[in-house]
Amino acid sequence: ETGVTQTPRHLVMGMTNKKSLKCEQHLGHNAMYWYKQSAKKPLELMFVYSLEERVENNSVPSRFSPECPNSSHLFLHLHTLQPEDSALYLCASSPSPPDRGYEQYFGPGTRLTVT
Amino acid sequence: AQSVAQPEDQVNVAEGNPLTVKCTYSVSGNPYLFWYVQYPNRGLQFLLKYITGDNLVKGSYGFEAEFNKSQTSFHLKKPSALVSDSALYFCAVRDTGANNLFFGTGTRLTVIP
Repeated sequence: ETGVTQTPRHLVMGMTNKKSLKCEQHLGHNAMYWYKQSAKKPLELMFVYSLEERVENNSVPSRFSPECPNSSHLFLHLHTLQPEDSALYLCASSPSPPDRGYEQYFGPGTRLTVT
Repeated sequence: AQSVAQPEDQVNVAEGNPLTVKCTYSVSGNPYLFWYVQYPNRGLQFLLKYITGDNLVKGSYGFEAEFNKSQTSFHLKKPSALVSDSALYFCAVRDTGANNLFFGTGTRLTVIP
């Protein structure tokens, strides 16, 4: 175990649903990340939070809404998704600031299927 | 602009033989370089990194990688492959002062018994 947990592990949702992904880290880190992993494509960085402030938003559609209430928890709120949003969503954490040479610790991911 | 290339989608190697997984990168400043491994239904696990200093970096599970600035490469190596090394390997780079960590598309390593 890496010290980063994600729930749920699997999620199937319709395009009109609203759901949330949860990430929790027990490593004392101050930076947290959301990534999207699709088959045959590089991992796509979606959001970066450092000390609970969003420091990076990589042109992610507004149907994805992150929330970082404290340094241990990160959420990804989902609404009106499209089938192409189906992917593995990975959460990661690292010491802060994120622009240094710290490695990231990843959770097991949430496999999202949009029907 | 930052980018990472892993030229091989698949690498097959016999158990006990040395293995190499290739990675080249492009950054505008000085690179921070990482290797991660992903087993089925799992997140990515950190293997090793190059930040500065000695070009040969040793990491977990007997893996090592060599930073070559002139060739902009950071190939992952292991002297003797194990069947349990079979997994998906990702190279990643961060430019100095940047928040983004750019990943390659991954190389699937299969170690044949």
